[in-house]
Amino acid sequence: SQWGEENLQALSIQEGEDVTMNCSYKTYTTVVQWYRQKSGKGPAQLILIRSNEREKRSGRLRATLDTSSQSSSLSITGTLATDTAVYFCATDALASGSWQLIFGSGTQLTVMP
Amino acid sequence: EAAVTQSPRNKVTVTGGNVTLSCRQTNSHNYMYWYRQDTGHGLRLIHYSYGAGNLQIGDVPDGYKATRTTQEDFFLLLELASPSQTSLYFCASSLYANSDYTFGSGTRLLVI
Repeated sequence: SQWGEENLQALSIQEGEDVTMNCSYKTYTTVVQWYRQKSGKGPAQLILIRSNEREKRSGRLRATLDTSSQSSSLSITGTLATDTAVYFCATDALASGSWQLIFGSGTQLTVMP
Repeated sequence: EAAVTQSPRNKVTVTGGNVTLSCRQTNSHNYMYWYRQDTGHGLRLIHYSYGAGNLQIGDVPDGYKATRTTQEDFFLLLELASPSQTSLYFCASSLYANSDYTFGSGTRLLVI
């Protein structure tokens, strides 16, 4: 598998708290993408961070990438109940002879109002 | 607005039945993908394509065929459906292999 075990998580927090989700990957990648999937919907991309970037922000979201430790994190500040979703980390990897985006198993985040 | 539209939203078929799932994208993207999503397995790639007439095998291709008839349309075919293919299926598109993916809303398939 491309992914480390810390990707298999569920988190439950109170609205207003900050949260950080982590993922680690095993092989070289040029990008890490973070997706959010709300119940009954398809995943939607939140942030794309390239291997030459260390940090990227979008509103309340902040993604980091550490290529030396092959890990990435996604932080959400001031969470809202509407942030409740599964969050996936994805990296591109060479598989079956071509580059593909490989998704981790996701972190179920529940934000309680 | 760029979009990926899947049909049907829900489908029930019998074991051994023939099923076609449809996907259309209006993003002018090169790549299209079919994934299945099951509890405990996340998103698993079935087949993908980088253009009309092209087909690439993904990670879990057994029991599935796919065809990319145009830049916009990508179909997933289950010719002898089995209960193990009961799942939530997503189609996605992207401009390049490592650019952002746009997903459809999914098709829930039940094989009884």
